[in-house]
Amino acid sequence: DAKTTQPPSMDCAEGRAANLPCNHSTISGNEYVYWYRQIHSQGPQYIIHGLKNNETNEMASLIITEDRKSSTLILPHATLRDTAVYYCIVRATSNTGKLIFGQGTTLQVKP
Amino acid sequence: DAGITQSPRHKVTETGTPVTLRCHQTENHRYMYWYRQDPGHGLRLIHYSYGVKDTDKGEVSDGYSVSRSKTEDFLLTLESATSSQTSVYFCAIRETGDTEAFFGQGTRLTVV
Repeated sequence: DAKTTQPPSMDCAEGRAANLPCNHSTISGNEYVYWYRQIHSQGPQYIIHGLKNNETNEMASLIITEDRKSSTLILPHATLRDTAVYYCIVRATSNTGKLIFGQGTTLQVKP
Repeated sequence: DAGITQSPRHKVTETGTPVTLRCHQTENHRYMYWYRQDPGHGLRLIHYSYGVKDTDKGEVSDGYSVSRSKTEDFLLTLESATSSQTSVYFCAIRETGDTEAFFGQGTRLTVV
């Protein structure tokens, strides 16, 4: 599975959009980009995933560049409850299922 | 919420004793994972399973063994606990294909 690079920390003002970048320059054609977040010491929570096209759900939007070497997770209107560690993972569905996390980005939403 | 339960949720044990953590699912998902998380670190994969009796090592498997004798249970065993294994342990499950993983609430293990 391709490795990912994320900034260690970011701040965002409450009510503003939070844009979290992820670099995955060695991604293969069959690898998906997944985003999870972990609030306090809870178990990680799935947010969104995509292969090539941009994706949107009730939680966030995922923008993947045309060359697929990077992506951005967008929380459109960040709230204090979005303060968490956000993990970007790339994974192929055809492999044996190994799921490797990187260090993630700590997002601090400030009032 | 996905049907995934970890037990126990908290445990304190002495160095050198065996410890078994249990992950139980009611979703009939194929894949099951054990991670550990330490302060300042993300989640590190210990072992995972891709079917009954099918397991493989992750990034930090030394000192740990696993077993999966039935779909719903994935056991993590520390044969002889050490203080370096003090950590929070998370279990996760996932179905085949283009699917997301669901995580348990974690087990906080302290080895004294």
